[in-house]
Amino acid sequence: AQSVTQPDIHITVSEGASLELRCNYSYGATPYLFWYVQSPGQGLQLLLKYFSGDTLVQGIKGFEAEFKRSQSSFNLRKPSVHWSDAAEYFCAVGAPGSARQLTFGSGTQLTVLP
Amino acid sequence: SQTIHQWPATLVQPVGSPLSLECTVEGTSNPNLYWYRQAAGRGLQLLFYSVGIGQISSEVPQNLSASRPQDRQFILSSKKLLLSDSGFYLCAWSTQGAGGNTIYFGEGSWLTVV
Repeated sequence: AQSVTQPDIHITVSEGASLELRCNYSYGATPYLFWYVQSPGQGLQLLLKYFSGDTLVQGIKGFEAEFKRSQSSFNLRKPSVHWSDAAEYFCAVGAPGSARQLTFGSGTQLTVLP
Repeated sequence: SQTIHQWPATLVQPVGSPLSLECTVEGTSNPNLYWYRQAAGRGLQLLFYSVGIGQISSEVPQNLSASRPQDRQFILSSKKLLLSDSGFYLCAWSTQGAGGNTIYFGEGSWLTVV
């Protein structure tokens, strides 16, 4: 069974600083990988996804993520954080061809200081 | 484009009362449908998923049930709510087939059991 670990429960950065949120997964083959963002009291919005091909994936809102098979990681990055990026971020892994579900990490809460 | 709606957005119910949360998807046909629960400060837990009308798979045994009476309608129910049922409930959908793991979420429903 697949699993996802987001080691950082809470991260605080200053506005304008760079950001990297960590995600490690466990899966026997090449998985589908996702990052979602959730603002308080709202549903989850898809930021980006990796299915195959180029391991550097561009998403919405200036985010990108890099799939590193050797490290079983899919870290999310943004070169310059905006105050509106404050939210909770979830990494998820899916098994190709499975309708069942995505397995989500426990989330990383991002606080942005002015 | 596809849209997903769930209602009600907020619900306060006494212990032992029934529950019905509804979700509809527009702009697609034969989607996979999901119900997730997000307890305060915790990640997402898959409750039910459905690959077709009348086909429901349960992930977690509990006093909740789900039904899919129509292709794009998914209902979460309970006959008698427990305090532990409080949380944020998210309906979601995905396409079937290639790339079907990308899950899109509704706005969520806050349930408080008192």
